[in-house]
Amino acid sequence: EAQVTQNPRYLITVTGKKLTVTCSQNMNHEYMSWYRQDPGLGLRQIYYSMNVEVTDKGDVPEGYKVSRKEKRNFPLILESPSPNQTSLYFCASSLYPGSTDTQYFGPGTRLTVL
Amino acid sequence: GQQVMQIPQYQHVQEGEDFTTYCNSSTTLSNIQWYKQRPGGHPVFLIQLVKSGEVKKQKRLTFQFGEAKKNSSLHITATQTTDVGTYFCAGVFYNTDKLIFGTGTRLQVFP
Repeated sequence: EAQVTQNPRYLITVTGKKLTVTCSQNMNHEYMSWYRQDPGLGLRQIYYSMNVEVTDKGDVPEGYKVSRKEKRNFPLILESPSPNQTSLYFCASSLYPGSTDTQYFGPGTRLTVL
Repeated sequence: GQQVMQIPQYQHVQEGEDFTTYCNSSTTLSNIQWYKQRPGGHPVFLIQLVKSGEVKKQKRLTFQFGEAKKNSSLHITATQTTDVGTYFCAGVFYNTDKLIFGTGTRLQVFP
């Protein structure tokens, strides 16, 4: 089944404890991105990747890192999480290297930073 | 910066009533996409509009793209409880490769 998977789905952590949220897609998509969703703010892009080893900042990149060593995987790294990073995170992918293509979203990761 | 505004933020309707959500941009869009997110779920692509004045239908859903390509709407005729969720528009601006999401309209349908 074609899909985008994220792990973990839920995470409660404490300030400063490094964490990684994994994202994987099995559709051979070129483009992958991370969004955070907060009430009243919609979906805001954190980072995106046009292809392997090519990543760039989205609208709200502060406090996050990403890597794209393989086409299928695009992990989101929070080196020192803070409470303002408590949010619902979505990974998304699309076939072509551009966000103008249909985005396929993962199931989401709900992160709470205490 | 480039923004896509969406109204209303919330809408409660009785089952069978119509529903419309509106999306507006201050600058011309290259194209616009619509997504639906069920409660507890993830956004799912509904449709993409590219041409000025374009109108597309999916059963009870009608999508429009304005003549100036600065606004768009999603209209649902005779809502059903299965229409519950948050509807997002997402616009792409010329000369960028970024998809900017609106803030979403949360639709609640009462039986």
